[in-house]
Amino acid sequence: KAGVTQTPRYLIKTRGQQVTLSCSPISGHRSVSWYQQTPGQGLQFLFEYFSETQRNKGNFPGRFSGRQFSNSRSEMNVSTLELGDSALYLCASSLYDNEKLFFGSGTQLSVL
Amino acid sequence: GENVEQHPSTLSVQEGDSAVIKCTYSDSASNYFPWYKQELGKRPQLIIDIRSNVGEKKDQRIAVTLNKTAKHFSLHITETQPEDSAVYFCAASIMEYGNKLVFGAGTILRVKS
Repeated sequence: KAGVTQTPRYLIKTRGQQVTLSCSPISGHRSVSWYQQTPGQGLQFLFEYFSETQRNKGNFPGRFSGRQFSNSRSEMNVSTLELGDSALYLCASSLYDNEKLFFGSGTQLSVL
Repeated sequence: GENVEQHPSTLSVQEGDSAVIKCTYSDSASNYFPWYKQELGKRPQLIIDIRSNVGEKKDQRIAVTLNKTAKHFSLHITETQPEDSAVYFCAASIMEYGNKLVFGAGTILRVKS
């Protein structure tokens, strides 16, 4: 089985712009979670989608949004980018709740 | 994450020694506790996990212990090797987030040869 695929691998944006990140989960996995990773902060939970519905959301502002398509692929959007949004954004899929998460390689976002 | 605290933030050990990383959590309903290893420039990968109905689990040189009463769990690595050098993250399922995983801030483990 192919692993979790995230595109693009790197992104450079300027403040005020918006960005869309993509994640394709492992075939058969219906749950997709997004995490933000910054040095010293670990992995911060953004949100989780299951069967095209957002089931859970972390403590991030409304500028962070996402969606999931019928094929379980997910996108994450960040609007009005701020310098502090620079981070590695990781997507993870799982087969069931409370089960092993499989992570993608992440998208490294730099906001200038 | 604020629901999971991890210590220490960095740990240096000599090759062959043991390493212990500890995490505490706040949600008494948490029932799943995985540990992830992230090597430099790579994705986090699960190395071991434990559920609340078990107190200890071992897999070769790594083991995890869970104390539900005290709400803490630990990762133990014995006979450390240079390839164990990485960032290790603990996590706990948190009801506030629909039982999703909340991660600790990570521990940078350096194994000196």
